[in-house]
Amino acid sequence: SQKIEQNSEALNIQEGKTATLTCNYTNYSPAYLQWYRQDPGRGPVFLLLIRENEKEKRKERLKVTFDTTLKQSLFHITASQPADSATYLCALNAGNNRKLIWGLGTSLAVNP
Amino acid sequence: KAGVTQTPRYLIKTRGQQVTLSCSPISGHRSVSWYQQTPGQGLQFLFEYFSETQRNKGNFPGRFSGRQFSNSRSEMNVSTLELGDSALYLCASSLLAGVIADTQYFGPGTRLTVL
Repeated sequence: SQKIEQNSEALNIQEGKTATLTCNYTNYSPAYLQWYRQDPGRGPVFLLLIRENEKEKRKERLKVTFDTTLKQSLFHITASQPADSATYLCALNAGNNRKLIWGLGTSLAVNP
Repeated sequence: KAGVTQTPRYLIKTRGQQVTLSCSPISGHRSVSWYQQTPGQGLQFLFEYFSETQRNKGNFPGRFSGRQFSNSRSEMNVSTLELGDSALYLCASSLLAGVIADTQYFGPGTRLTVL
């Protein structure tokens, strides 16, 4: 079956360290993959989009990689801060349309 | 620019009732998508509207319907509510509909509880 998997267990790291979150998918050939941040009681907020022909994308302290052979995307937050604590969601398009398929998200806690 | 607004923020209904949720997209955005979010299933796509036309549809029963008005505001309706419809309903707006990779901007959601 088609699915997206993200680390189901919460990730706890120390402030200043690099957080790495994983998004694995099966049976899709997405044209792009997106990462969002969601805080409790709020809607997701877009962070980064990476296309199938891109290996890596950066934005300030954020970095996303996309390996279409491994069917995996990694999301890195460098020099993490307590304010980075949130749930991070990955989403990809299921076909040649705008319908997004979402992972369940990974909860990140950055401890001061 | 004001963000995406959704009303109401919280709603409690009983089984068998129907409900209408409203979404106002960011000014200038013409595409509105609706999602259902539950802890076990995550975010699931319901449908997308652009220029008052449904462009994409997810795998939800016909009890879930929506529409979009000429000012791009959108409503979604759920009839004959079931306990399993309890969820956070999120609306997202984006500028374009023809472009696949277009950033979506989410509203705060409507928390629906069905008793």
